[in-house]
Amino acid sequence: AQSVAQPEDQVNVAEGNPLTVKCTYSVSGNPYLFWYVQYPNRGLQFLLKYITGDNLVKGSYGFEAEFNKSQTSFHLKKPSALVSDSALYFCAVSVQTGANNLFFGTGTRLTVIP
Amino acid sequence: EAQVTQNPRYLITVTGKKLTVTCSQNMNHEYMSWYRQDPGLGLRQIYYSMNVEVTDKGDVPEGYKVSRKEKRNFPLILESPSPNQTSLYFCASRRGQGFSDTQYFGPGTRLTVL
Repeated sequence: AQSVAQPEDQVNVAEGNPLTVKCTYSVSGNPYLFWYVQYPNRGLQFLLKYITGDNLVKGSYGFEAEFNKSQTSFHLKKPSALVSDSALYFCAVSVQTGANNLFFGTGTRLTVIP
Repeated sequence: EAQVTQNPRYLITVTGKKLTVTCSQNMNHEYMSWYRQDPGLGLRQIYYSMNVEVTDKGDVPEGYKVSRKEKRNFPLILESPSPNQTSLYFCASRRGQGFSDTQYFGPGTRLTVL
């Protein structure tokens, strides 16, 4: 069965500092990994995804994520956090075989402190 | 503007009163899906549709129905809502059958069942 874990419910970081939001996954087969962000009273917005190739993926708003197959992780990173990055972040995985589905983590609330 | 729209955005109803949440996309996407978001559980798929007249159950289909008579529309029907269906609902679409394709989400419908 496919699953995604976001071990931190809440991450606080000072403005200007680097941020990391963690994600690990468990799948049978090759994973496709996604990050979405949810701002208050808004839907989910796509940030970036890993399909294949370069392990470092760059996405919207200066975010990037690194696929690490040996550690089954796909952590979201940004070199310098902005207050406007404060939101709820979801990691998701799909697999070529099995159910036609995106499996989501439980979400991590990021708060950037001015 | 390419988008997924949902209506209504907010709905308060009573147990047993049938309701429909509409979803429409203007991107000519083949695949559409419904999710519910609950605190601590992330997003879970309710139903999905690979194309017109093709629908299938997701992870939490009990108490819900869907239909896909037109490519752009994918309504979610609760024939006899119960309080445990109080949740935030998202409709999503993606271009095709590919598991690596990005899903695009609507703004959400917050449903309260009293």
